[in-house]
Amino acid sequence: GNSVTQMEGPVTLSEEAFLTINCTYTATGYPSLFWYVQYPGEGLQLLLKATKADDKGSNKGFEATYRKETTSFHLEKGSVQVSDSAVYFCALVTGTASKLTFGTGTRLQVTL
Amino acid sequence: GAGVSQSPSNKVTEKGKDVELRCDPISGHTALYWYRQRLGQGLEFLIYFQGNSAPDKSGLPSDRFSAERTGESVSTLTIQRTQQEDSAVYLCASSLDFGANYGYTFGSGTRLTVV
Repeated sequence: GNSVTQMEGPVTLSEEAFLTINCTYTATGYPSLFWYVQYPGEGLQLLLKATKADDKGSNKGFEATYRKETTSFHLEKGSVQVSDSAVYFCALVTGTASKLTFGTGTRLQVTL
Repeated sequence: GAGVSQSPSNKVTEKGKDVELRCDPISGHTALYWYRQRLGQGLEFLIYFQGNSAPDKSGLPSDRFSAERTGESVSTLTIQRTQQEDSAVYLCASSLDFGANYGYTFGSGTRLTVV
């Protein structure tokens, strides 16, 4: 079956620090990979996605590269801001499955 | 509509009562999903609809949970005889179509508290 493993949080960083949130996956078939973000008091929003190996998804300064050889999709940002404080979810879907499978989420706290 | 709308946004109910949670997907989205997010935990899949049929109900925790959808529109998740462990945020999402490359649009959720 499909599964997603994320690094446990919370991750606490100072503003302008470099961010990495690790995500690895197990999937039957060839998955599409996603990062969703949940800001305080809001619903989940799609942050970025990649649909095939070596694709790089990017949005709002965040990037993640689909690495088939390591079954990973790590989220990175070069310089975080306080406004990036949120919970980040890695997720995947395969053509053989009908639903997104989510990781448990990683809370990011950015301080001044 | 412009986004996925869920109602109520908050619901407090007594143990043993029934509750109905509503989801209005984006117009034209054929796929609709229900997830549950318990405090401090990840998203737990409950059920998904393609049109008004539910090909995958594998995530419903017990027979107290049921859901229906009218055509490609509103969906209702019903929890009968609520228990305290049902307390969670119930999230609805819709997608243009079923399949690997369609991202979801989520609603803001219904926070259910069973007392």
